[in-house]
Amino acid sequence: ETGVTQTPRHLVMGMTNKKSLKCEQHLGHNAMYWYKQSAKKPLELMFVYNFKEQTENNSVPSRFSPECPNSSHLFLHLHTLQPEDSALYLCASSTRQGYGYTFGSGTRLTVV
Amino acid sequence: GENVEQHPSTLSVQEGDSAVIKCTYSDSASNYFPWYKQELGKRPQLIIDIRSNVGEKKDQRIAVTLNKTAKHFSLHITETQPEDSAVYFCAASKRRISNFGNEKLTFGTGTRLTIIP
Repeated sequence: ETGVTQTPRHLVMGMTNKKSLKCEQHLGHNAMYWYKQSAKKPLELMFVYNFKEQTENNSVPSRFSPECPNSSHLFLHLHTLQPEDSALYLCASSTRQGYGYTFGSGTRLTVV
Repeated sequence: GENVEQHPSTLSVQEGDSAVIKCTYSDSASNYFPWYKQELGKRPQLIIDIRSNVGEKKDQRIAVTLNKTAKHFSLHITETQPEDSAVYFCAASKRRISNFGNEKLTFGTGTRLTIIP
């Protein structure tokens, strides 16, 4: 493991389900990120948190709801997703926003 | 905002030969340029980075060059090996105006490198 742990590794959910993705880092980093990786847009930034505060929402639909209770944990709450939301969701952290990202292994999400 | 373009999207190289991947960026204030390698089914991993105060950086078989005037930077892999096969992403970011640190990384669209044995 890199120090950034994501759970679950795989998730299959129906369009009416509610689920959450979890990211945890013990690297002492103070910036955390959610990225969506799909064939169409390989690394698409979704959200940025710096010292627990959201500093960027990259026009993400409201069916994705992030939560950052502290600098070590980041969640992505999912509800009423669409099949096109199927992708690999990557969490990353860094010491200073933008430097030396460390990625988690990702959650492979399939919406059916 | 920043825009990073990466070429080529796919690259096949004979084992032992060199591979070069090129990226251009739009924001002249960008000052940090990392490269990530993502093997199949795995997470992206930082392999090398360069800051705007240097023009070239090497680490064994990999090197990165930066041309600030032209706003482009390149990844060079020499003596390629099968384990170099992966998707490579370039990225760029700039220093924040308001406080410490840099802004978020903007990634290129990736290059799928295949090393032919």
